[in-house]
Amino acid sequence: KAGVTQTPRYLIKTRGQQVTLSCSPISGHRSVSWYQQTPGQGLQFLFEYFSETQRNKGNFPGRFSGRQFSNSRSEMNVSTLELGDSALYLCASSPGGGGSTEAFFGQGTRLTVV
Amino acid sequence: GENVEQHPSTLSVQEGDSAVIKCTYSDSASNYFPWYKQELGKRPQLIIDIRSNVGEKKDQRIAVTLNKTAKHFSLHITETQPEDSAVYFCAASRVPGGYQKVTFGIGTKLQVIP
Repeated sequence: KAGVTQTPRYLIKTRGQQVTLSCSPISGHRSVSWYQQTPGQGLQFLFEYFSETQRNKGNFPGRFSGRQFSNSRSEMNVSTLELGDSALYLCASSPGGGGSTEAFFGQGTRLTVV
Repeated sequence: GENVEQHPSTLSVQEGDSAVIKCTYSDSASNYFPWYKQELGKRPQLIIDIRSNVGEKKDQRIAVTLNKTAKHFSLHITETQPEDSAVYFCAASRVPGGYQKVTFGIGTKLQVIP
């Protein structure tokens, strides 16, 4: 069974631009969560999608948005990039059903804003 | 919302010694507590988890304890080995519900000295 796949692995963008990151969950998983990882802040929750609906949202500005498609693939968009958005963005998938718990992480997309 | 505090932020132990990482959570409704290990340059991976109806769980050299009254839980690694060197994250979430918002601690960098 293929694991969680994130594309691209690396991105360099300039301030003010926007970026779209992609996450393909493990086949059969319906829940996809996104996290921002920085050295000083650890893993911070961005949002979680389940069956194409955003079910939870972290404390990030509206520049951060996401969506989920019918095949459970998810995209995350960041508009008007700032230097502080430089981070490793991780997505995690889980079955999402009642009682299911373990989240499987992708390798992440390392975003550098210059 | 949930807040998870984790300490220490760094921990150095001699090979063969034990390591203990402690976390506290704020949301009394949290009922699932996973621990993730992230080796340098790799994705976080689940190493052990515990639900709120259990006080302790062991898996070979690692164990997790949970005190619901005090709202804290700990990871214990015995007979540490160099390959245990990594960043460890504790987390808290509420399941089931078909969704999960996992709140992570800031991470503990464990160094096992040969």
